[in-house]
This record gives sequence, structure tokens and C-alpha cells, in this order.
Amino acid sequence: DVKVTQSSRYLVKRTGEKVFLECVQDMDHENMFWYRQDPGLGLRLIYFSYDVKMKEKGDIPEGYSVSREKKERFSLILESASTNQTSMYLCASTYSGTVSYEQYFGPGTRLTVT
Amino acid sequence: GESVGLHLPTLSVQEGDNSIINCAYSNSASDYFIWYKQESGKGPQFIIDIRSNMDKRQGQRVTVLLNKTVKHLSLQIAATQPGDSAVYFCACPHNKLIFGAGTRLAVHP
Repeated sequence: DVKVTQSSRYLVKRTGEKVFLECVQDMDHENMFWYRQDPGLGLRLIYFSYDVKMKEKGDIPEGYSVSREKKERFSLILESASTNQTSMYLCASTYSGTVSYEQYFGPGTRLTVT
Repeated sequence: GESVGLHLPTLSVQEGDNSIINCAYSNSASDYFIWYKQESGKGPQFIIDIRSNMDKRQGQRVTVLLNKTVKHLSLQIAATQPGDSAVYFCACPHNKLIFGAGTRLAVHP
């Protein structure tokens, strides 16, 4: 079974802190994605990566950055956390290809910024 | 711009009844659609997919119908069970995967 794991299920941070969310997948997937999920808005793509050291902006990249130093690991970084970044963050991965089809998701990290 | 939406935010059904969850999309070039199920506290899980050269696809207790004329797809769940309670998303790849907002299915005994 494909397994996508996220470093924390729940996280509470203060405004202005730098926050790291880690995602690891064990199926040698090339593609990895970070979404945030908010009530009534569904999943919105923040960043994605098709390969090591490659990254592409999604729909809402402002206030975020990412790092893909190893194939299995994709990190989401909040440079200076703000209260409007309180959300559920979901990582996903998929097999190589030009378009993301069936994505395998992690359990999510619920981040609260106070 | 592109959008994928769902008609109802919440759907309540009796255990044993059939459930129908609807989804509309805006991009007529979309050629592949996926339904995901997200249970409380978990990430979305793939349920079933359909390509635009089909108008119906069946899985175990689930059927997806695609109407390209009106850009609408639906997920039908037969004999709904309490374990089907979740949020259901339709998703449509076009360069990247675009998700609808989700419909919460509540199954009552």
C-alpha cells in the first residue's frame, strides 16, 4: 500500500513563527503536492513538485515556500505564520506523468496560528 | 476561470437508501474525473474515476455517471451504510487536479 505520512497531526504556532510541515511518501512517486483545506472552499493547491529540486506554484502560493531535496520528502514552509494560515494541510503524491490523476493523500496536519 | 462545484453541501440519507451526490464542472475540455471520499480525520481516498469517452462506470456499490452535454457528473451509492458517512469530492485534472468544495453525506440509522 502507498503510504504518505505527515510529521504532525496537530500543530499550534504563534504569529510570526517559521513553520515546517514535512511529508514523506514510500512509493518512489515523482510528483508531490501540498494543499490546504478550508470549510466551504475544498482543497486548494499551494505548491507541487515533479522531481527533486523542482517546484511549481499552485493557486495560492503566497506566504508559503517548499523544499524537495529528496524524492520521498516534500516540505512546506510558512516563512512567517499568520492567523489566516490556520487550516488543514494535506500532502499528496502520485506516479510520474504530466498530470496528477489518482493522488494518494496523507492524513493531514491541522495547523492553528494564534 | 475553471471551477468544479457541488450542488449541495450536505446530504442526509437513511441507512439502506441510495445516495446521489452531484457535481458540475466548467471546463468542457476536461476528459477525466475522479471521486474522492474523505472520512473525519483522514485524507481523501480515491473511490472511482471515469474518462470522458464513457458515460457510466460501476464499482462496488458505487456508480459514476457523466453527462458531458451539461457538464455534470454524479456519484451514486447503493444501499448506503453508516460507514459511507464522509465528505465526497469530485476532482478534475487540467494541468493540475481541481477539487470541488465537497458534499457531506450523513447516514442515519
